[in-house]
Amino acid sequence: EVQLVESGGGLVQPGRSLRLSCSASGFTFRDNAIGWVRQAPGKGLEWVGFVDYGGTTEYAASVKGRFTISRDDSKSIAYLQMNRLKNEDTALYFCAREEAGLFEGIDYWGQGTLVTVSS
Amino acid sequence: DIQMTQSPSSLSASVGDRVTITCRASQSINIYLNWYQQKPGKAPELLIYGASSLQRGVPSRFSGSGSGADFTLTISSLQPEDFATYFCQQSYSTPRTFGQGTKVEI
Repeated sequence: EVQLVESGGGLVQPGRSLRLSCSASGFTFRDNAIGWVRQAPGKGLEWVGFVDYGGTTEYAASVKGRFTISRDDSKSIAYLQMNRLKNEDTALYFCAREEAGLFEGIDYWGQGTLVTVSS
Repeated sequence: DIQMTQSPSSLSASVGDRVTITCRASQSINIYLNWYQQKPGKAPELLIYGASSLQRGVPSRFSGSGSGADFTLTISSLQPEDFATYFCQQSYSTPRTFGQGTKVEI
């Protein structure tokens, strides 16, 4: 069974940093792109970025230069390093698996980890 | 960046109704269009990928159509468990982008 489990969320002050982790199981981790999608309270879905199976990363303009996505295939873990956090980064952060055979659709999601940026 | 525009933003319908949600991309995305259903407090779930392919385990009352820039999600006979918010997403290029969502109220 494919599982994605996020961790690392919490309350953080503006300007500080936080690192989220996504632990994967049930599939060959290195074969898939892993992305992060966030959802601010009561709002829609916002794609944050991804790291593909070759390690190439892409980001949304709203986080580029502040957030870094990486992966450790030996541990089946993906990371989202968030620096210089802003109040508007407050959201539920989902880890997501893109499946190339499904036109890069996201076929598995984690349960989400909440990040609250506030002083 | 490719903008995705969904309509309507919300709708009310009765059990058994046929429901249609549209999604328009700001440029051609071929058929790299996916639909997701999200229920309150839950992660989204993939319904349709590649504009018209039904994800495994999704009821056949859900269908998708379209190509290029205009797409449609149809629920042929609305069921009580279909109360949810639906999002389209383009996976043609990065950054991936989502529509703003359509809330379906029963």
